[in-house]
Order: sequence, then C-alpha cells, then structure tokens
Amino acid sequence: DSGVTQTPKHLITATGQRVTLRCSPRSGDLSVYWYQQSLDQGLQFLIQYYNGEERAKGNILERFSAQQFPDLHSELNLSSLELGDSALYFCASSVAGSYGGELFFGEGSRLTVL
Amino acid sequence: QQQVKQSPQSLIVQKGGISIINCAYENTAFDYFPWYQQFPGKGPALLIAIRPDVSEKKEGRFTISFNKSAKQFSLHIMDSQPGDSATYFCAASSPISGSARQLTFGSGTQLTVLP
Repeated sequence: DSGVTQTPKHLITATGQRVTLRCSPRSGDLSVYWYQQSLDQGLQFLIQYYNGEERAKGNILERFSAQQFPDLHSELNLSSLELGDSALYFCASSVAGSYGGELFFGEGSRLTVL
Repeated sequence: QQQVKQSPQSLIVQKGGISIINCAYENTAFDYFPWYQQFPGKGPALLIAIRPDVSEKKEGRFTISFNKSAKQFSLHIMDSQPGDSATYFCAASSPISGSARQLTFGSGTQLTVLP
C-alpha cells in the first residue's frame, strides 16, 4: 500500500459528460501529480501541484483541470468527455516540491467513456 | 527531446533466466533515472534508480547499467522469477523551472516469466 488513495476506482460515463477524480496523498507529502495511462500512450504526465499551487503542467487538455485543496487532497476534473479519454488516471505524491524521481502512486481510477 | 524510448515492448523469459530491458534518451538535462514496476491493477512502484555519475547500481537481483555517452540505460533482472512478471517502466527526471521537476516515462515493457 503506497498510502495514496484514489476514488473512484472505476467510473463509466457517456461522451460529453463531466467527472471528478479525487486523490489523497500520503501523509506529509505536499506534492501531487496526475498521470494518464492508456494502452497506446503509456504514462503521460498531466499536472503537478505543490502545497496548493500549480507547479508544472504537462500534456493536459484544456477540457481537463485540477486543483489541490488546503488539506492537500487533489481533484482532477474532466469535462466534455470523449471516447479517447478512456484511460487509467493515476495520482502520485512525493515528499517535497522537488524530487529525484521517487513518486508514490495510487491504484488509479479507471475511466470508461461510452 | 523529452522522450524516453523503451524496448522491447514485451519480453518472455524462462524462470532463472536474465531479463534485459533497454531505454534511450536524447535530453541531456535528464539527471535521474528510476525504474518503476507495475503489477496488474496496481499503480507503478519505484524499483531502483540511478544517477548519471555512476555506471551501475545493483539491488538484489536488479541491476541498472548506465552509459552516459550513449545516452542509454538498461535494467537487468537476474534469476528471473514468475513473481517478477509485471510491466516495467524506465523514467528520466529533469528540472523544469525553479525547483520543479518532471518525470518522463518510457512506454513500458510487459515481462512474463514462465515457470
């Protein structure tokens, strides 16, 4: 158990809809990262937050947004969903804002868009 | 330039054999190279990592070999076991701005170790 909690584990929705994925980082970790994992794209970095502030942005679509709350949990909002958004979405946390590569991943939220 | 290229895509090895997974990169700003192991239904977990100032790091049956001039690094799993069957991702870390860093993953290798 990595200590990172993600909900929901599975989500099925329709095209055009909006969903929210939630992540609770490990106790004491200030940084939260979101990754998308699909069969043909591997692990794609979406966005990083550190202590409530956006720190880095990767290949995140404009239809997607995220935030980190004062209690350090984070939410990833996906809107106007398309079939191609079906993927596993992972949240990860690390000890500090900068890191050498040790991220602790949750078990992911599997999104299926029909 | 941010890509990390990983091969092979899949690998089948007999129990007791050596599993070798290779990665290559172009971006010289990468300065930390971890490997992650992912079992089905689980998130990736850090397995072993290396900095470019060393050419090899060994932890138990797992060894990373690093060739800085060739911009290549590889994971060797000695005496492979069925329990090693998982997807392995190489990764490379680089600074973005200030103290922010980014971790770029390879495409993954699905390893199957036959009993």
